[in-house]
Amino acid sequence: QVLLQESGPGLVKPSQTLSLFCSVSGGSISSGSDFWNWIRQPAGKGLEWIGRIYSRGSTTYSPSLKSRVIFSLDTSKNQFSLRLNYVTAADTAMYYCAKGQWPTHYFDYWGQGILVTVSS
Amino acid sequence: QSVLTQAPSASGTPGQRVTISCFGSSSNIGENTVEWYQQVPGAAPRLLIYSNNQRPSRVPDRFSGSRSGTSASLAISGLQSGDEADYYCATWDDSLNAVIFGGGTKLTVL
Repeated sequence: QVLLQESGPGLVKPSQTLSLFCSVSGGSISSGSDFWNWIRQPAGKGLEWIGRIYSRGSTTYSPSLKSRVIFSLDTSKNQFSLRLNYVTAADTAMYYCAKGQWPTHYFDYWGQGILVTVSS
Repeated sequence: QSVLTQAPSASGTPGQRVTISCFGSSSNIGENTVEWYQQVPGAAPRLLIYSNNQRPSRVPDRFSGSRSGTSASLAISGLQSGDEADYYCATWDDSLNAVIFGGGTKLTVL
């Protein structure tokens, strides 16, 4: 059973950088066939895939966010992270981390989510 | 506006069978497998159906999925009050090079 837990600030000021972390237990983020995703959901709205990072570090980002987002792995802590630059109110959302497995594109394990508000 | 189209709402009575549809195009559903996620209020989404019609072991067989051409469907039989949730379809889009979701269908059990 893989467990994922998001962490990070709940409040970020406009134009600043949002940094979130996802701690993984019950499995290694460096497992060869896994990939690690970020997905977000504004309140009352649908799901938006932000992107994924593979166990070997390569990344794929959503076209709508790729200019502002960077993912990274920290194998020593068994966690992966998201950095979203130049945030605006439109980035206010629940952020989920989720696990997938190559060569599929679905998410079999999800974190509980973390609410991030962008406001001054 | 989502690339995958779902009706915003659906409803049924206990014991009834309901179907939720998801419409896409040749660059997404037409070429890739479809997944369905269930999200009950206040909780994270959970995988319900993968690879068009496969169920994780924890998901009861009342839930079934299918894909035909550029559309997919989720069927729920023997509807229960606990099935009240938002249901999202998802797949890969070859043109966008991204995972895409439908806008979600809110299921109400009357």
